[in-house]
Amino acid sequence: GAGVSQSPRYKVTKRGQDVALRCDPISGHVSLYWYRQALGQGPEFLTYFNYEAQQDKSGLPNDRFSAERPEGSISTLTIQRTEQRDSAMYRCASRSDTDTQYFGPGTRLTVL
Amino acid sequence: QKEVEQNSGPLSVPEGAIASLNCTYSDRGSQSFFWYRQYSGKSPELIMFIYSNGDKEDGRFTAQLNKASQYVSLLIRDSQPSDSATYLCAVRGYGGSQGNLIFGKGTKLSVKP
Repeated sequence: GAGVSQSPRYKVTKRGQDVALRCDPISGHVSLYWYRQALGQGPEFLTYFNYEAQQDKSGLPNDRFSAERPEGSISTLTIQRTEQRDSAMYRCASRSDTDTQYFGPGTRLTVL
Repeated sequence: QKEVEQNSGPLSVPEGAIASLNCTYSDRGSQSFFWYRQYSGKSPELIMFIYSNGDKEDGRFTAQLNKASQYVSLLIRDSQPSDSATYLCAVRGYGGSQGNLIFGKGTKLSVKP
């Protein structure tokens, strides 16, 4: 079946603009995770959901970052008033009842 | 603050050799450990997970866990050029079986023909 999809794949924005990154998990997967990955680094946890409930948002860097998953499927990560330091690959992963997190292709965000 | 440490490499091995990738973690209470492979420009994909002390084998891959030493390793036997990638070690964070993963920086492996 279809894997995790993310859109857009690439996003270039100007500093101060808001951006919304979308993740469409594998159908039926309960858990959805957001990570951020800088070049040469491993993924860094941001937040995760079980169904529509946000379970842990301790990795969100500051209050400009927020995420939602209102119907327990698609999730949106929103970054308000973007800054250059927000530039990174944003990855989404989903998980069923096994211990495997399946990663999407990521959204490459560039803030000018 | 949980930490996962890996040698960034690059680790270079000849084709057919055994590649040994190492990882240490800071939280003695960690229970679940994962190895992901990430090709350049691609997403991480799970190779293996291990929960118990000792070895776990899957094809050419063997994961080894030593909780007393807080050490996890991945051995790749008969290394192939297609194994050239960055290998990420991950430890489960809080949240029980559903918790997030804490990743190391990854070790870049190069298998020379």
